[in-house]
Amino acid sequence: NAGVTQTPKFQVLKTGQSMTLQCAQDMNHNSMYWYRQDPGMGLRLIYYSASEGTTDKGEVPNGYNVSRLNKREFSLRLESAAPSQTSVYFCASSGDWGREAFFGQGTRLTVV
Amino acid sequence: KNEVEQSPQNLTAQEGEFITINCSYSVGISALHWLQQHPGGGIVSLFMLSSGKKKHGRLIATINIQEKHSSLHITASHPRDSAVYICAVNGAGSYQLTFGKGTKLSVIP
Repeated sequence: NAGVTQTPKFQVLKTGQSMTLQCAQDMNHNSMYWYRQDPGMGLRLIYYSASEGTTDKGEVPNGYNVSRLNKREFSLRLESAAPSQTSVYFCASSGDWGREAFFGQGTRLTVV
Repeated sequence: KNEVEQSPQNLTAQEGEFITINCSYSVGISALHWLQQHPGGGIVSLFMLSSGKKKHGRLIATINIQEKHSSLHITASHPRDSAVYICAVNGAGSYQLTFGKGTKLSVIP
């Protein structure tokens, strides 16, 4: 099993460029999440999708959009990247709320 | 919003030592997670618990719901245990995990 796969692993963007981070899981999980991790701070939830067809804002949604394309895939889009979005991004999935979470390998994004 | 505090922030141990990492939270929860993040960056779930105690190999996790506190113990520590250990909690019925800032563990041979 691949688990949770996210792409790309590394990306450098110029301010104002757009990009989409892709995430796919093969565990038939209902819930999927996007987090960002910054030095000195815990992981923070950007958006989540409790089930296929639904998405909700997390703690830090500004500057991001998401799409739950189907049960397997959940993408994160930066429409106009800003240096403050330099971070490591993690996708995760779980069977439901309060269940064990499985994480992707992370995407290290730098916005210059 | 739940506040999750971990201690210590950094921990250096000699190989073979018994290690304890603590996590406290401010509001009642439905589940608490212990995660491990290796230097390469990947995050792995170690435990999810809502009461009592769980054991997996040399790792033991306990939770005291009344005191809003959990501990992660590592017995007979080994250099390969060197990683950041992260505590996270689900509020009751909540999809959102609130994370602690992590404890960086270094085990020296």
